[in-house]
Amino acid sequence: SAVISQKPSRDICQRGTSLTIQCQVDSQVTMMFWYRQQPGQSLTLIATANQGSEATYESGFVIDKFPISRPNLTFSTLTVSNMSPEDSSIYLCSIVLGQGAKNIQYFGAGTRLSVL
Amino acid sequence: GEDVEQSLFLSVREGDSSVINCTYTDSSSTYLYWYKQEPGAGLQLLTYIFSNMDMKQDQRLTVLLNKKDKHLSLRIADTQTGDSAIYFCAESISGGYNKLIFGAGTRLAVHP
Repeated sequence: SAVISQKPSRDICQRGTSLTIQCQVDSQVTMMFWYRQQPGQSLTLIATANQGSEATYESGFVIDKFPISRPNLTFSTLTVSNMSPEDSSIYLCSIVLGQGAKNIQYFGAGTRLSVL
Repeated sequence: GEDVEQSLFLSVREGDSSVINCTYTDSSSTYLYWYKQEPGAGLQLLTYIFSNMDMKQDQRLTVLLNKKDKHLSLRIADTQTGDSAIYFCAESISGGYNKLIFGAGTRLAVHP
């Protein structure tokens, strides 16, 4: 596997502000993903972030609200913009290791965001 | 569309076996996964099974796959209090990249 570090681990933010979450991996990976886990819910994919291309967003998520950067093969950021209490969630990044069909996703510890 | 369903809660006595069930809809899934989430932590990959297998065993964990019924189960033998967590079933869907569809998670409570 790989070591995946997310910062911050948690934060409390005011409505209308923005927060940038960082995801650092200790090895080079092509595919990185950002997920949201709302309170008591399962994980929902926000977007796929591949180095050298624009992020691909899932239905219901837009770049203006969740801009993503992927400047190199070991790092990505997710920004939650103009936050509202509905954005209170755990945000997780994941990476894919392996080749072909046997691609396994590994997750960071997550960022716990509370919006007041 | 794709959907993964799990029962939401399971309570077992310490030392007993736990069986967590999952159903999925995408018959073209190549891999199915079990993840564990302990309180305040991220997701830990427990095990996975390739769709052409019907069973995989790894120490206390046994995964059974019934592809005909699209049913997946995770059996934990000799369940311990440290096994208390939320267990997520996930399927990988076809389409060229590794999109995972997660179930809602089963909260396992282990009591003495």
